[in-house]
Amino acid sequence: LAKTTQPISMDSYEGQEVNITCSHNNIATNDYITWYQQFPSQGPRFIIQGYKTKVTNEVASLFIPADRKSSTLSLPRVSLSDTAVYYCLVGDWWGNQGGKLIFGQGTELSVKP
Amino acid sequence: GAVVSQHPSRVICKSGTSVKIECRSLDFQATTMFWYRQFPKQSLMLMATSNEGSKATYEQGVEKDKFLINHASLTLSTLTVTSAHPEDSSFYICSALPGEGYYSNQPQHFGDGTRLSIL
Repeated sequence: LAKTTQPISMDSYEGQEVNITCSHNNIATNDYITWYQQFPSQGPRFIIQGYKTKVTNEVASLFIPADRKSSTLSLPRVSLSDTAVYYCLVGDWWGNQGGKLIFGQGTELSVKP
Repeated sequence: GAVVSQHPSRVICKSGTSVKIECRSLDFQATTMFWYRQFPKQSLMLMATSNEGSKATYEQGVEKDKFLINHASLTLSTLTVTSAHPEDSSFYICSALPGEGYYSNQPQHFGDGTRLSIL
């Protein structure tokens, strides 16, 4: 399973766009990139998943360059409620690892008024 | 959609007690579920992979006799912490991988965790 590296923490202000970049140099051909958000004393919540190029949903965008060795989660116009830990994970969904995910340290995002 | 229910949300019990935690996928079937453990200010640590109808696969360093896992149906997996001691106190989280077969191209969905406190 590819190891991921993210900044440990980031600070932002309400209304700003936040970009969190994740490095995954050893990503394999079958691996997908998935981002989760976790609030204290809750389970992680799925944000977005992608394989290559750009994916956008109602809450975020995910940018993946052609070599797929990194990815960037973009959160538009953050609010105080976006203060949380964000995890970037690489997982093999096609069965070689049975969908197993290994969590890295995550990025603790703090949004200030 | 894709809701995973975990019960109970909090347990406080005496040392030596066995505690069962349930993980249910409410609106989808999941051949594979996972159990994680999380200590304060730390990341999630994968404990085991639970496959319906077969024995669980434990990660290195996780005692299978201490943490019993049963995945008897496509919507339910249970984790039993046997003879729990204070060092077993932690936040336990389950997740479910949508799909009826072994392979899935969908993300895992997580329960809201169980806070276990052993006195």
